[in-house]
Amino acid sequence: LAKTTQPISMDSYEGQEVNITCSHNNIATNDYITWYQQFPSQGPRFIIQGYKTKVTNEVASLFIPADRKSSTLSLPRVSLSDTAVYYCLVGEEQAGTALIFGKGTTLSVSS
Amino acid sequence: GAVVSQHPSWVICKSGTSVKIECRSLDFQATTMFWYRQFPKQSLMLMATSNEGSKATYEQGVEKDKFLINHASLTLSTLTVTSAHPEDSSFYICSARGWAAEETQYFGPGTRLLVL
Repeated sequence: LAKTTQPISMDSYEGQEVNITCSHNNIATNDYITWYQQFPSQGPRFIIQGYKTKVTNEVASLFIPADRKSSTLSLPRVSLSDTAVYYCLVGEEQAGTALIFGKGTTLSVSS
Repeated sequence: GAVVSQHPSWVICKSGTSVKIECRSLDFQATTMFWYRQFPKQSLMLMATSNEGSKATYEQGVEKDKFLINHASLTLSTLTVTSAHPEDSSFYICSARGWAAEETQYFGPGTRLLVL
């Protein structure tokens, strides 16, 4: 399974755009990139998933360069409620394959 | 997205007793369910992978006789912590995947276990 590296923490202010970059140098051909958000004492919540190029949903955008060795989660105009831990995970999308969590990025949003 | 529930949301028990935690996929059939454990200020650690109708596969270092996993149906998996001790106090989270290969993992809300 590809190992991921993310910044341990990031700080931002309300209304700003936040970009969290994740490195996954040994990503495999069949691997997808998935981002989860976790609040204290809650289970992780799916944010976005992609394989290559750019993916956008109502919550975030995911940018993946051609070599797929990194990815960037972009959160537009963050609010205080976006303060959470964000995990970047890489792995095959097969029914029997578990996602392995790294340390994640703790995002703190201030007013 | 799909919904996964856990019950109970929190439990306090005495040392030496057993505790059962249920994980249910509410609106989809889960071919595989996973159990994670999370200690304060740490990331999720995979404990085991459970496939419906077969024995669970445990990660290295996880005692299968202590953490009993049963996946009797496509919507229910249970984790039983046997003879619980204070060091088993943690946040236990389950997740599930559906039939389609492209479906991602959906996580339950977690169960906080405190062993006194």
